Amino acid sequence: DIQMTQSPSSLSASVGDRVTITCQASQDISNYLNWYQQKPGKAPKLLIYDASNLETGVPSRFSGSGSGTDFTFTISSLQPEDIATYYCQQYDNLRTFGGGTKVEIK
Amino acid sequence: QVQLQESGPGLVKPSETLSLTCTVSGGSISSYYWSWIRQPPGKGLEWIGYIYYSGSTNYNPSLKSRVTISVDTSKNQFSLKLSSVTAADTAVYYCARDTRVFDYDSSGYLYYFDYWGQGTLVTVSS
Repeated sequence: DIQMTQSPSSLSASVGDRVTITCQASQDISNYLNWYQQKPGKAPKLLIYDASNLETGVPSRFSGSGSGTDFTFTISSLQPEDIATYYCQQYDNLRTFGGGTKVEIK
Repeated sequence: QVQLQESGPGLVKPSETLSLTCTVSGGSISSYYWSWIRQPPGKGLEWIGYIYYSGSTNYNPSLKSRVTISVDTSKNQFSLKLSSVTAADTAVYYCARDTRVFDYDSSGYLYYFDYWGQGTLVTVSS
């Protein structure tokens, strides 16, 4: 089984700050990684696929990078509407989600 | 616009079988993979398994012995059965489209969950 480790589990930042979340796979998953945003009481929403490709309609302040075992998700300028929990997810072998990162406004 | 809707009992007794159905509208169930994902209250997401429209399946190894996913293309539906449930199976259950796209750069397939149902809370309790 492939394990996905996200960090931090939560963070607090100010509006306009750059926010970075990391995701580490327990083995090489190439670039087979997606990122999702989940707001309270809602289903997750796809933001980034294939590690770095922005889903249609998603604001350009969101970005992803990495390959192999280490991946990064970045919000270049945090907005109030970005308050949510973010998950990475691998699909190299079946499907596995990271534990999530809760983003709050300071 | 593709829409997914979960349906089924919101309360299941311990040791019984949880059964849910996902109805797909606004598009065909054919040519896609379809997944079930769950989220215990206050916790993270757990992938349960997927089914291809043709009927082939793959399951999370940790749940494999208790899970069955099936598809009914005539009704544009797919279903989940989880047997011998305990309180640990209490969760919001989501169905999602597991889209497969051919990537010419890598000559491989990309997969992502692009459409989700709203989720349905299933509580396991006597």
